Amino acid sequence: DTGVSQDPRHKITKRGQNVTFRCDPISEHNRLYWYRQTLGQGPEFLTYFQNEAQLEKSRLLSDRFSAERPKGSFSTLEIQRTEQGDSAMYLCASMRDSAQETQYFGPGTRLLVL
Amino acid sequence: GNSVTQMEGPVTLSEEAFLTINCTYTATGYPSLFWYVQYPGEGLQLLLKATKADDKGSNKGFEATYRKETTSFHLEKGSVQVSDSAVYFCALITSYGKLTFGQGTILTVHP
Repeated sequence: DTGVSQDPRHKITKRGQNVTFRCDPISEHNRLYWYRQTLGQGPEFLTYFQNEAQLEKSRLLSDRFSAERPKGSFSTLEIQRTEQGDSAMYLCASMRDSAQETQYFGPGTRLLVL
Repeated sequence: GNSVTQMEGPVTLSEEAFLTINCTYTATGYPSLFWYVQYPGEGLQLLLKATKADDKGSNKGFEATYRKETTSFHLEKGSVQVSDSAVYFCALITSYGKLTFGQGTILTVHP
């Protein structure tokens, strides 16, 4: 257990439905990251927060995706009008405010879109 | 842009065999380099890291040396165990903390 938690761990939904995932980082960590991992691939960066500010978004993050970190603590990732191509593991990670620090990952939320 | 390339897998070894998983990278500047491990059913865990050229990261018998001249960070272990069976990811980090991962290498160790 790294101290980063994610909820739910698994989500099955039908195409076109909206889903929301939650990440609770380690409490003193300012930075929070979302990644997406598809089968047989390494995680790919989606977006990053420093405290409550979203500072970087990948081109992978289409208009159907939105992420928030309203009080600089937990974060949510919402996918609207899900598509089968959204099926993946969504990973959250947190770290202190330095690129030399270690990034700690949560267990991930596995999404399956039918 | 930044990229990480790992050797093709999967890798299958007998217990006590020597392990090498190759990793090369392309990046501007001199990023910190990492190996992460993902055990079955678990999340990503940091295995080791190196922050500058010629640094050697080590943990749990695994080692990797940051080679600037060959842009490599190969993972090695002298004697693998069944419990080392997992997926191993090489990664580099940018200045704002974004990790760029390789595609992962599946390691299976047989008794």
